[in-house]
Amino acid sequence: EIVLTQSPGTLSLSPGERATLSCRASQSVSSSYLAWYQQKPGQAPRLLIYGALSRATGIPDRFSGSGSGTDFTLTISRLEPEDFAVYYCQQYGSSPAITFGQGTRLEIK
Amino acid sequence: EVQLLESGGGLVQPGGSLRLSCAASGFTFNTYAMSWVRQAPGKGLEWVSGISGSGISTYYADFVKGRFTISRDNSKSTLYLQMNSLRAEDTAVYYCAKGGSNYVRTFDYWGQGTLVTVSS
Repeated sequence: EIVLTQSPGTLSLSPGERATLSCRASQSVSSSYLAWYQQKPGQAPRLLIYGALSRATGIPDRFSGSGSGTDFTLTISRLEPEDFAVYYCQQYGSSPAITFGQGTRLEIK
Repeated sequence: EVQLLESGGGLVQPGGSLRLSCAASGFTFNTYAMSWVRQAPGKGLEWVSGISGSGISTYYADFVKGRFTISRDNSKSTLYLQMNSLRAEDTAVYYCAKGGSNYVRTFDYWGQGTLVTVSS
């Protein structure tokens, strides 16, 4: 099983700042099959990024993904108030043995 | 508009059974893989099980193998999860999630979730 470790656990930033979230895999994720989700309190997750760098439908271009192998990054270029949420990475390179990271909480400073 | 509506959650005793349903609409149901993903209270996301569009191929996380069974009725656009031998650690919100293709990979639409509580 591929274990995903996200860092930091909590990130405190202000609107307008740049956010950088990390996701590290215990072994290489084949074909960059890595996705990112956003979850707000009381809501279901929303797909942001798939294939490590492709934005899902309707996702603003301030969200970008990068990385390959075992190290992946989600960057939010300029934080909007609605971006404060929990973010999860997910690998599907060893599909169907799908795993998620433990999450990064992005909070308002 | 894609809609996924889960039902069937509730309180069940340890060792008991429960069947979850997910009614889907707004897309061609039989051409997409579907999955169940759960989230224990205050915890992260865990993929539980997935099924191909035809229903022929099914997949399970190790922690539910032999206890849970995923199935689908494409004529009714409905996904199911039969949960047997339930344990306290199965307590979670269970989400139905649509795959982005016929493969169990990413999840582009999610239901609102149904809460399963396993307790005596």
